[in-house]
Amino acid sequence: DQQVKQNSPSLSVQEGRISILNCDYTNSMFDYFLWYKKYPAEGPTFLISISSIKDKNEDGRFTVFLNKSAKHLSLHIVPSQPGDSAVYFCAAGGFGNEKLTFGTGTRLTIIP
Amino acid sequence: NAGVTQTPKFQVLKTGQSMTLQCAQDMNHEYMSWYRQDPGMGLRLIHYSVGAGITDQGEVPNGYNVSRSTTEDFPLRLLSAAPSQTSVYFCASTSGTSSYEQYFGPGTRLTVT
Repeated sequence: DQQVKQNSPSLSVQEGRISILNCDYTNSMFDYFLWYKKYPAEGPTFLISISSIKDKNEDGRFTVFLNKSAKHLSLHIVPSQPGDSAVYFCAAGGFGNEKLTFGTGTRLTIIP
Repeated sequence: NAGVTQTPKFQVLKTGQSMTLQCAQDMNHEYMSWYRQDPGMGLRLIHYSVGAGITDQGEVPNGYNVSRSTTEDFPLRLLSAAPSQTSVYFCASTSGTSSYEQYFGPGTRLTVT
């Protein structure tokens, strides 16, 4: 049972445009959500997070939106740059511990 | 700070062989974990530890053992390697005090033939 789902395996976006990556979850007990970025042959690196008490968090070009009623979160990257080409993982945590459940990832390709 | 380090980077094993994947962190983090990444499967939790002497199973623990004798080290042992254990393995750590943000090592690519 996949508790965190990223239904788009890949996404291509023109440089300078907005990239929107989506993530759905099924467990309403999750109270913290994170996005990670992964380049080939490297470990994932933390990008941005949001707690369930918020519906939006911004950090520079990156914004995460959380819709608790729909159990959906999205990552917006504006403007998209070639260096943003990577695999993006959505992750969820909660229950008072540090365990994270990851989605399957979305490969983002920025077209120059 | 070196962060989270993993050795080796690459390893090829024959079916039935055993080996240990090493993981160390120098951030004094209490929580450490092991994940495996497979195509189309994302990152799946194998084992985790909330502190020295304490370990627990994750989502896919079968065929793997862990121990945590120090805060810094969290080795993952493959007891009898199987082709299904061909994967990329990541170790991660977090302080656990302020956020769920985990810091990942560079990974070990394991092939079992």
